[in-house]
Amino acid sequence: AQSVAQPEDQVNVAEGNPLTVKCTYSVSGNPYLFWYVQYPNRGLQFLLKYITGDNLVKGSYGFEAEFNKSQTSFHLKKPSALVSDSALYFCAVRDDDYGGSQGNLIFGKGTKLSVKP
Amino acid sequence: NAGVTQTPKFQVLKTGQSMTLQCAQDMNHNSMYWYRQDPGMGLRLIYYSASEGTTDKGEVPNGYNVSRLNKREFSLRLESAAPSQTSVYFCASSERVLSYGYTFGSGTRLTVV
Repeated sequence: AQSVAQPEDQVNVAEGNPLTVKCTYSVSGNPYLFWYVQYPNRGLQFLLKYITGDNLVKGSYGFEAEFNKSQTSFHLKKPSALVSDSALYFCAVRDDDYGGSQGNLIFGKGTKLSVKP
Repeated sequence: NAGVTQTPKFQVLKTGQSMTLQCAQDMNHNSMYWYRQDPGMGLRLIYYSASEGTTDKGEVPNGYNVSRLNKREFSLRLESAAPSQTSVYFCASSERVLSYGYTFGSGTRLTVV
């Protein structure tokens, strides 16, 4: 079965510094990976995805993620953090076990990002 | 605005009461999903509907039932609520998961006392 792990419950960075939110995955076939962000009292919003192609994927709000097959990782990055980036971030992987022919997404437990001024 | 609409936003139930969480999407998506979000556990799939007329169990279906009323609407029912069902519930929809991922509703915060 597919799974994702987010090893950090919380990441703290200073505004203007680079940020990294870690994600590792385990899949039996090709990895289809996603990042979502959740602001307080809101639903999850899509940030970016890796399906195939370049290992560096660019997404919304200046975020990018680096796919590393040998390390089975898909870390979320941003060169310069903003206070407004403070939110809960979820890594997800497509799972074929549920969801019919489309599969469904399995989510990690989430990482709380706190950016201080 | 196009998207996924969930009602109600908040609900408090007594143990044993029943209720239905409503979800509607206006994006003509085929697939719809119900997840629950609990602290430290991420999101877990309760039920899904791959297309109109079909529903299937996800990872944590016990204590829930669903109805795919039409292509737009997918409801989640708690027949006899238990404190363990205190959670935030999210509905999501998708057309092609690998292309567009999911679109989520804003959630229903349910407390069972």
